[in-house]
Amino acid sequence: GENVEQHPSTLSVQEGDSAVIKCTYSDSASNYFPWYKQELGKRPQLIIDIRSNVGEKKDQRIAVTLNKTAKHFSLHITETQPEDSAVYFCAASRGDSSYKLIFGSGTRLLVRP
Amino acid sequence: DAGITQSPRHKVTETGTPVTLRCHQTENHRYMYWYRQDPGHGLRLIHYSYGVKDTDKGEVSDGYSVSRSKTEDFLLTLESATSSQTSVYFCAITGLAGLINEQFFGPGTRLTVL
Repeated sequence: GENVEQHPSTLSVQEGDSAVIKCTYSDSASNYFPWYKQELGKRPQLIIDIRSNVGEKKDQRIAVTLNKTAKHFSLHITETQPEDSAVYFCAASRGDSSYKLIFGSGTRLLVRP
Repeated sequence: DAGITQSPRHKVTETGTPVTLRCHQTENHRYMYWYRQDPGHGLRLIHYSYGVKDTDKGEVSDGYSVSRSKTEDFLLTLESATSSQTSVYFCAITGLAGLINEQFFGPGTRLTVL
């Protein structure tokens, strides 16, 4: 079945450095790719998303890029801060118009002060 | 947060007992979802609903049933809880900005089955 693979599972960076998280998807009909941030004990929160008609989207220090040919997309966080420490999930929409999302397994990001 | 509440927020139960979790939304959205979250597995879809009395299975639906008799409420039932159903359960809704794919999550329910 369709799946989304996410790497790395853990990522540790120094404050001020950049962090990159990568996801690949298998359903070629997927057209919506959100990213969620989840702090410890909290709900996942949507931080940025991209649709298949766009190759890149940026919002302040975060950006997402999409390569539909290769079926992969990435989250980029620049100038990382300790409050960026959290678990990040990528997801891809199902291509069957069911409005369902398939999630990656998550990346635990630690930003060292 | 996005008009979604879940109850209870925490529950401890014993193997073999029935459990019902409730998701309530105030935004009149058509689509609602139940996920479970376990370490190393991300969020996995249990069941979802695309309208009153319209539901369908997700990828991990065995041992779970759902009901939606009103737009605002989506119930998840474990008919006979097992220890493998110990998890954090999240409800989600879509479309707060009019875009069907954006999903927003409730606060979660932590369920422990002893």
